[in-house]
Amino acid sequence: EADIYQTPRYLVIGTGKKITLECSQTMGHDKMYWYQQDPGMELHLIHYSYGVNSTEKGDLSSESTVSRIRTEHFPLTLESARPSHTSQYLCASSESEGGSYNEQFFGPGTRLTVL
Amino acid sequence: KNQVEQSPQSLIILEGKNCTLQCNYTVSPFSNLRWYKQDTGRGPVSLTIMTFSENTKSNGRYTATLDADTKQSSLHITASQLSDSASYICVVSDRGSTLGRLYFGRGTQLTVWP
Repeated sequence: EADIYQTPRYLVIGTGKKITLECSQTMGHDKMYWYQQDPGMELHLIHYSYGVNSTEKGDLSSESTVSRIRTEHFPLTLESARPSHTSQYLCASSESEGGSYNEQFFGPGTRLTVL
Repeated sequence: KNQVEQSPQSLIILEGKNCTLQCNYTVSPFSNLRWYKQDTGRGPVSLTIMTFSENTKSNGRYTATLDADTKQSSLHITASQLSDSASYICVVSDRGSTLGRLYFGRGTQLTVWP
């Protein structure tokens, strides 16, 4: 099983609240990713990072922000949650060498519900 | 437009039976194709990976095939078990970026009944 962790696993909050979804990996991977997944739909990349102090936006526009101060930690923050942010958020990491051939290891996900 | 289409959307089989899941893609230039298994409430886990030159890859009871000419792949599950109940996701990667862009299918939801 991959050593990548996400907390919390489930979160129910009210509109307007600020939240941070945590993601940590102990594999020493440089590349990390955040995906958004709705039921029955494909995963959409919302943020990624090549390493410390590197963050990029993915294909799906997201109002969330990320930071990468340490290699092992890649938190995602929503400044003001809205019901449209209700979704499952998956964090992943991979090695740098080998490009797309390298497996992305996924965390268990955080299921966010905004009321 | 790069896309990955999977069929069927859902499938119910009895324990012990075999099944085959399909994946068609239009991703170009092609780099590799992975099949992931995603249990309910969990993150996806890689089952197999195939590059352009590989036609088949096995992982226990899972056998994946790839036809790069027709841009089709299949995942065959032999002697299904209750624990095989999950979503199976086809993921295709292109060679166009250093990130290794991934294109995800919507998955086939497999349910194995006793």
